[in-house]
Amino acid sequence: GQSLEQPSEVTAVEGAIVQINCTYQTSGFYGLSWYQQHDGGAPTFLSYNALDGLEETGRFSSFLSRSDSYGYLLLQELQMKDSASYFCAVSTYNQGGKLIFGQGTELSVKP
Amino acid sequence: DGGITQSPKYLFRKEGQNVTLSCEQNLNHDAMYWYRQDPGQGLRLIYYSQIVNDFQKGDIAEGYSVSREKKESFPLTVTSAQKNPTAFYLCASSIKGARGGTNSPLHFGNGTRLTVT
Repeated sequence: GQSLEQPSEVTAVEGAIVQINCTYQTSGFYGLSWYQQHDGGAPTFLSYNALDGLEETGRFSSFLSRSDSYGYLLLQELQMKDSASYFCAVSTYNQGGKLIFGQGTELSVKP
Repeated sequence: DGGITQSPKYLFRKEGQNVTLSCEQNLNHDAMYWYRQDPGQGLRLIYYSQIVNDFQKGDIAEGYSVSREKKESFPLTVTSAQKNPTAFYLCASSIKGARGGTNSPLHFGNGTRLTVT
């Protein structure tokens, strides 16, 4: 089977840097994605890693280590609007086109 | 503007009734998905479809049914056999299925919150 682990909650202050970790167990791993969801809203795509290393998109970066089955989302210069849930998700070769999500990490940004 | 439309936003039904949730996309995406989200939890896959007239069960398909007669539409029926149907339902689409080996992000609709009493 497949499983993803991420912390349930993280708290940080405005302007700080926060890292949200995701570890996964799956066969036929293809890529790791990150999505943001504000309370009651639609999840929105943030980033995708298929290869080892860091992908940077503005204040957000995502990292993948395939050998460690581990990735993280790094949020810099935190703003109040970054308070949301963040989900990692894996895609695999052998799951017929579906994306499996983790349980989500609720990020609270304090003033 | 292209996007995914789910309707209605809120839906109330009595136990024992079937209910169909609408999902329409004008993004010309091949793949469509239905996820269920319970309070404080992640997204669990109900059904997905990579092409018209074809769909596959996800991890929690029991008590649900879908059809994919048109590329733009992927309605989900919550049947009376679904033991705990009250939840937030999210529809999504992508250019190709995730197995396609592409960075093919999911685009989500705004969801339908179903309450069954």
